[in-house]
Amino acid sequence: EAGVTQFPSHSVIEKGQTVTLRCDPISGHDNLYWYRRVMGKEIKFLLHFVKESKQDESGMPNNRFLAERTGGTYSTLKVQPAELEDSGVYFCASSQGREVADTQYFGPGTRLTVL
Amino acid sequence: QKEVEQDPGPLSVPEGAIVSLNCTYSNSAFQYFMWYRQYSRKGPELLMYTYSSGNKEDGRFTAQVDKSSKYISLFIRDSQPSDSATYLCAMPDSWGKLQFGAGTQVVVTP
Repeated sequence: EAGVTQFPSHSVIEKGQTVTLRCDPISGHDNLYWYRRVMGKEIKFLLHFVKESKQDESGMPNNRFLAERTGGTYSTLKVQPAELEDSGVYFCASSQGREVADTQYFGPGTRLTVL
Repeated sequence: QKEVEQDPGPLSVPEGAIVSLNCTYSNSAFQYFMWYRQYSRKGPELLMYTYSSGNKEDGRFTAQVDKSSKYISLFIRDSQPSDSATYLCAMPDSWGKLQFGAGTQVVVTP
């Protein structure tokens, strides 16, 4: 069974540019989460999809970040325009059920560098 | 105050030693306590989790939770070089949103 995949693995952009990150969850997983880790800090929650609906987007830092999940399958996270403080590693995770302790399977992350 | 506190290390131990990791948390509503392992350039991977207070053992790994003092621990017995990784504690809220500690980097030297 394929795991969670993320693309690209690494992106280097200049301040003010736009970047779109993609996440393909494990097939059949209704829950999709985005997290990020900025340097020196802990991994922090950004948002949670249940199928195509946003369940919780309380962690999104500001309106420069836009997440979508087309048809309840893959998800994209767009940053427009990117700022220096957006640099970090963006992780996507998916889980199957609705139980609190359902295992979240993480992708390898996208390392974003904003110059 | 952070919801979950974890010493980032690094923690260096010789092969065969016991690794002791811990976290403290502030939210008394947490019911599940998870430990993730993350290898370099990889995503976190769930190692084990515990519900409420008590101990749980899985092979060389033992997780302990003391809800009265809001303190959780992970012990790795007979540590191996392959155990070298970052270990993160995490607690889910009622919707599964994970609150992570900073992660402790563990280095097991042969």
